[in-house]
Amino acid sequence: GAVVSQHPSWVICKSGTSVKIECRSLDFQATTMFWYRQFPKQSLMLMATSNEGSKATYEQGVEKDKFLINHASLTLSTLTVTSAHPEDSSFYICSGRQGGDEKLFFGSGTQLSVL
Amino acid sequence: QKEVEQDPGPLSVPEGAIVSLNCTYSNSAFQYFMWYRQYSRKGPELLMYTYSSGNKEDGRFTAQVDKSSKYISLFIRDSQPSDSATYLCAMSSALTGNQFYFGTGTSLTVIP
Repeated sequence: GAVVSQHPSWVICKSGTSVKIECRSLDFQATTMFWYRQFPKQSLMLMATSNEGSKATYEQGVEKDKFLINHASLTLSTLTVTSAHPEDSSFYICSGRQGGDEKLFFGSGTQLSVL
Repeated sequence: QKEVEQDPGPLSVPEGAIVSLNCTYSNSAFQYFMWYRQYSRKGPELLMYTYSSGNKEDGRFTAQVDKSSKYISLFIRDSQPSDSATYLCAMSSALTGNQFYFGTGTSLTVIP
């Protein structure tokens, strides 16, 4: 299957700082990328959908000024958690979808811990 | 009613057993059906992908789709301890645009 590389795999930061998570599709062009959040023993919670070159569409309840998503190229999307707080601590996962394909390929996830 | 229903388990089986995982759905427009395996603190990995109804086999894994009953299954033969993970079903349709609908996941433990 296609490969999505996500970095970093874990990050610890102080409250009030910003953290950037990168998601790269290595062997396909991801026209659409999705960002999810996952709490322990719970399913994926879609945060936002981004199409290359367009603004991201955020799910209800997700603060777009707090979770900045950039999808400037067909192989790279970034999620920046701005002014992170302890309640933002979670497992964040990206996924990519190639145009015309109904398969989703996921990154390995990023565990964010905000102290 | 949720779009996709999946029993969260947990499911515990002895090594070598046949495992059956299932999802039901409500939207008859779904055409694409996927099963993902997720290990703890890792991203989901695509295991099986099926278009429309029918069966698909890949090694020890068999995916079945019954669109008339809105029911999909994943069978794991000769289960191994390394199969211990959470299994997520997912589905989509050309009519639902960029939306993918996930089950809540079933936690499976294969006991040596």
